[in-house]
Amino acid sequence: SQQGEEDPQALSIQEGENATMNCSYKTSINNLQWYRQNSGRGLVHLILIRSNEREKHSGRLRVTLDTSKKSSSLLITASRAADTASYFCATVQTGANNLFFGTGTRLTVIP
Amino acid sequence: GAGVSQSPSNKVTEKGKDVELRCDPISGHTALYWYRQSLGQGLEFLIYFQGNSAPDKSGLPSDRFSAERTGGSVSTLTIQRTQQEDSAVYLCASSFRASQYEQYFGPGTRLTVT
Repeated sequence: SQQGEEDPQALSIQEGENATMNCSYKTSINNLQWYRQNSGRGLVHLILIRSNEREKHSGRLRVTLDTSKKSSSLLITASRAADTASYFCATVQTGANNLFFGTGTRLTVIP
Repeated sequence: GAGVSQSPSNKVTEKGKDVELRCDPISGHTALYWYRQSLGQGLEFLIYFQGNSAPDKSGLPSDRFSAERTGGSVSTLTIQRTQQEDSAVYLCASSFRASQYEQYFGPGTRLTVT
C-alpha cells in the first residue's frame, strides 16, 4: 500500500515558470526521497532529505520537509520542457528500509 | 560507473507459466530492493536484501513470488504460475547500505501475462 498522497495529481505550466508539488505521508520517517519518472519506466533519484533536515537544494530543485505536518514539497524553478515527467515522493519509515511511494504528480511543461 | 541493470526489458508470458527476472545492482551496493508498478496499485515494495542477512519478504503478494540474491550481488525474482494480475513493471533498486541512503533504480522489466 502507498504511504501518502501527492498534490496536485497533474500540473501544467509554461516553460520558465516554477512548479511546486506537495507530498503528505502518514507515519514517522527516517528520510524522504523525490524521484522523477519518464515514460513509465526507470525512476531517477533527485534528492534525499533526512528527518532532521528542513530544506535541501540541488540545482533548480528545492525540497522542504515539515515533520510536524508530515509533509514535503518539491519546487522546480525556471522549468524546462525536459522537466515534463511524473514526480514521486517516497519515504523510508522509521525502523524500515524500503521506500513507500506516493501517488505521483504528472508535470507537463509547455514550451 | 554503471547503474542498475535489469533483464529482460520486456517479457510476455502465458498465464500459468513461470518467469525469472534478473537484476544487477551497482557494484559495491549491499542493499537491493524489488518493487513493482502497476496501474491499479502504483509503486509497491516487494522484497529487500541487505548483505548476508535474511531478506525482508514482507511485500511479496503471494507465495508464488520468490527472490534470491547470489553472492551478495545479482538477484533473481521468480514468479510461478503467473496470473494476469501479475502484469506490471518490475523495478529493481540498490543502495550503498540501507535506510539512510539513496536508492538507485534500474530501467525495469515490463511483464505482460496473456
